Amino acid sequence: KQEVTQIPAALSVPEGENLVLNCSFTDSAIYNLQWFRQDPGKGLTSLLLIQSSQREQTSGRLNASLDKSSGRSTLYIAASQPGDSATYLCAVRHDSWGKFQFGAGTQVVVTP
Amino acid sequence: DGGITQSPKYLFRKEGQNVTLSCEQNLNHDAMYWYRQDPGQGLRLIYYSQIVNDFQKGDIAEGYSVSREKKESFPLTVTSAQKNPTAFYLCASTRTSNSYNEQFFGPGTRLTVL
Repeated sequence: KQEVTQIPAALSVPEGENLVLNCSFTDSAIYNLQWFRQDPGKGLTSLLLIQSSQREQTSGRLNASLDKSSGRSTLYIAASQPGDSATYLCAVRHDSWGKFQFGAGTQVVVTP
Repeated sequence: DGGITQSPKYLFRKEGQNVTLSCEQNLNHDAMYWYRQDPGQGLRLIYYSQIVNDFQKGDIAEGYSVSREKKESFPLTVTSAQKNPTAFYLCASTRTSNSYNEQFFGPGTRLTVL
């Protein structure tokens, strides 16, 4: 059974510092991996989707990498801002039809 | 605007009552999902549906039921058999027809048992 882990569970950084968020998964036979942001009491907002054939994906200040062989993905957020404070979750999928497996998330606080 | 709507935003249930949470999408997505989120925890899958008139149990289906009579709609009923239903419920959808099948979420329904 696939297990998805996000460490650390919480992270606090000063404004301007780069954020590095980790996601580990036990079964490397994934179809894709998706990173989300969740603000308190809200739904999830999709940030980046990486296909299994890709090594990385970029959008603005966000960059996500994928290393299937080691079962890891990393989300980098450059030059963090207080507005980046949120919980970040990753999810993996094994085929185009099936279900997603989520990590528990990393709660990020960016202090001014 | 395309997206997923969930209603109501807040819902209160008395002991022994069944309640139904609504989820509607206009993204023309084939697959729809229901998740439960408890404080400090990740998302747990309740039910999912890949096609109209078909659905599968997720990891925590006991005490819940669903229907998928239309592609756009995937309502979730929380029955009286669910002993601890207080949680945040999230509905999601994806395409299944190509490789870039990003999952999108609704704003959620917060259910509280009185």
